[in-house]
Amino acid sequence: DGGITQSPKYLFRKEGQNVTLSCEQNLNHDAMYWYRQDPGQGLRLIYYSQIVNDFQKGDIAEGYSVSREKKESFPLTVTSAQKNPTAFYLCASRPAWGPQETQYFGPGTRLLVL
Amino acid sequence: EDQVTQSPEALRLQEGESSSLNCSYTVSGLRGLFWYRQDPGKGPEFLFTLYSAGEEKEKERLKATLTKKESFLHITAPKPEDSATYLCAVQSGYSTLTFGKGTMLLVSP
Repeated sequence: DGGITQSPKYLFRKEGQNVTLSCEQNLNHDAMYWYRQDPGQGLRLIYYSQIVNDFQKGDIAEGYSVSREKKESFPLTVTSAQKNPTAFYLCASRPAWGPQETQYFGPGTRLLVL
Repeated sequence: EDQVTQSPEALRLQEGESSSLNCSYTVSGLRGLFWYRQDPGKGPEFLFTLYSAGEEKEKERLKATLTKKESFLHITAPKPEDSATYLCAVQSGYSTLTFGKGTMLLVSP
């Protein structure tokens, strides 16, 4: 089955701790994205990557970091500098080229602060 | 800056009671308008992409339409399983989307 997987489903962070959220896709998509979703707010873009070893900041990148060492993987690290990390995190991907513009989403990771 | 406003924020319908959700947008050159369905605690599920004014797309009880300023998601004779949050997003730049806050739909039997 082709798709996007995110793990873990739930993640707990202690004060001052960095945590990493996993996103893997086997759709052979070039572009990958990380969004944050808070109650009553739209999805907000954290980081995106259109090609391996390259990524760009989105609207709310402060306190987050990413890497793109493989086409299939785009992990997100929530650092201790992110003071309000509690949210639902969504990973998405899409083909970078051609007329197909649609982004497809993973199942999400809910991050909670202890 | 692209902006997307969805209305209403929440909508409660009786089973079989048709209605429409609105997505108003301002963009500098629309490349595409997207509708997604999101169930609680899950990732958004793609429904439709519309590219130009006058375009319409249908899927089961859902029909999406597009004008130069807004899009409508028409729901005909809804069923309880249509209950979800419906998200609208626009793309004007090369790669990124701007999302609205969504409309939460509840269909009662």
